[in-house]
Amino acid sequence: GEDVEQSLFLSVREGDSSVINCTYTDSSSTYLYWYKQEPGAGLQLLTYIFSNMDMKQDQRLTVLLNKKDKHLSLRIADTQTGDSAIYFCAGASGGGADGLTFGKGTHLIIQP
Amino acid sequence: EAGVTQSPTHLIKTRGQQATLRCSPISGHTSVYWYQQALGLGLQFLLWYDEGEERNRGNFPPRFSGRQFPNYSSELNVNALELEDSALYLCASSFYTNEQYFGPGTRLTVT
Repeated sequence: GEDVEQSLFLSVREGDSSVINCTYTDSSSTYLYWYKQEPGAGLQLLTYIFSNMDMKQDQRLTVLLNKKDKHLSLRIADTQTGDSAIYFCAGASGGGADGLTFGKGTHLIIQP
Repeated sequence: EAGVTQSPTHLIKTRGQQATLRCSPISGHTSVYWYQQALGLGLQFLLWYDEGEERNRGNFPPRFSGRQFPNYSSELNVNALELEDSALYLCASSFYTNEQYFGPGTRLTVT
């Protein structure tokens, strides 16, 4: 099955770009996702990328996929205090029949 | 458009009791997924329901069960509660399986 790894913490200054990284093991993952979780809340789907794409941009968010290295990243431009949250990388293999496999999440800490 | 809703928000139960958690998907979505988010264990896939049938389950014992109703809402039942069942239970819905939208979760505390 899928295994997804993320670093646990990232600290950035307000206004800088944040880059959150993720590695995955299952090359058959069809879709790769980024979710955001604020304290005490559920998961918010931020964006996702289909496995045959290299990059996807959506306003301040840029997703890069390196299939060869099985590496996924999420770049948040002009990071704001409201971006403070836990960010989860997730993969769907088996056409989603096995549910999503999540990383442990990266805590994004914004310094003023 | 209303998102995924879950009830109750919080649930406190005693060891050995049964817990019932409910989920209403986004209108038009036919699939419901359940996940457990336990401290230290991360998010783990529990169950998948689609068109009223259980389609797949994760690595959880049979005391975790559920069903999906004709209106596509779903119920998760946890029997013979154990202390380690304390977690946030998240429900997600999708129309096709590539986009899953999550509800706010039910916080289950077992004492």
